[in-house]
Amino acid sequence: GESVGLHLPTLSVQEGDNSIINCAYSNSASDYFIWYKQESGKGPQFIIDIRSNMDKRQGQRVTVLLNKTVKHLSLQIAATQPGDSAVYFCAETLKAAGNKLTFGGGTRVLVKP
Amino acid sequence: DAGITQSPRHKVTETGTPVTLRCHQTENHRYMYWYRQDPGHGLRLIHYSYGVKDTDKGEVSDGYSVSRSKTEDFLLTLESATSSQTSVYFCAIKQGRTEAFFGQGTRLTVV
Repeated sequence: GESVGLHLPTLSVQEGDNSIINCAYSNSASDYFIWYKQESGKGPQFIIDIRSNMDKRQGQRVTVLLNKTVKHLSLQIAATQPGDSAVYFCAETLKAAGNKLTFGGGTRVLVKP
Repeated sequence: DAGITQSPRHKVTETGTPVTLRCHQTENHRYMYWYRQDPGHGLRLIHYSYGVKDTDKGEVSDGYSVSRSKTEDFLLTLESATSSQTSVYFCAIKQGRTEAFFGQGTRLTVV
């Protein structure tokens, strides 16, 4: 697989702790907001999405929070594990724009044993 | 890899030469995308397709063209490669509104 040496903000987390990854988005008209995970040498992988009319959605060990007032999206990972080490991207999609998937900047998460 | 493959996986080419990257899916999905990934820029959309012969530009489409003559194949062409097009290219297919499956990527180096 391929990887890119991205110059990204890094979040270091102790194994077992909770992680919070933040993202500021730009388009308040977007229909959905999404989180993707990219492991070294691989393409991004879907984690969870949230519709724009919601403010919270939970998945398995992950929670996404949406604050439309300040255009902020966050991903919380509970009990972070070594396998969570990756780059995390937020993304948004807008039906009126052809459902294009537009990615924001990423955050690198490093899990310390 | 959700039935999506990219070829070639690595390519080195000279400035000014044409290059075509291929994305092949076996999932019969309508939406297909080409992204490039560069340090400091994350993933940027080049072109996308919402059906056979239906394509549209993304945010960094200059210097690239695409074609989709059948559902399973989405081709990205660099008509005359430049060093600024050195990058890792990812193809993706989308199921539903938000869930996209990505290929393994193609590392292209233009010398």
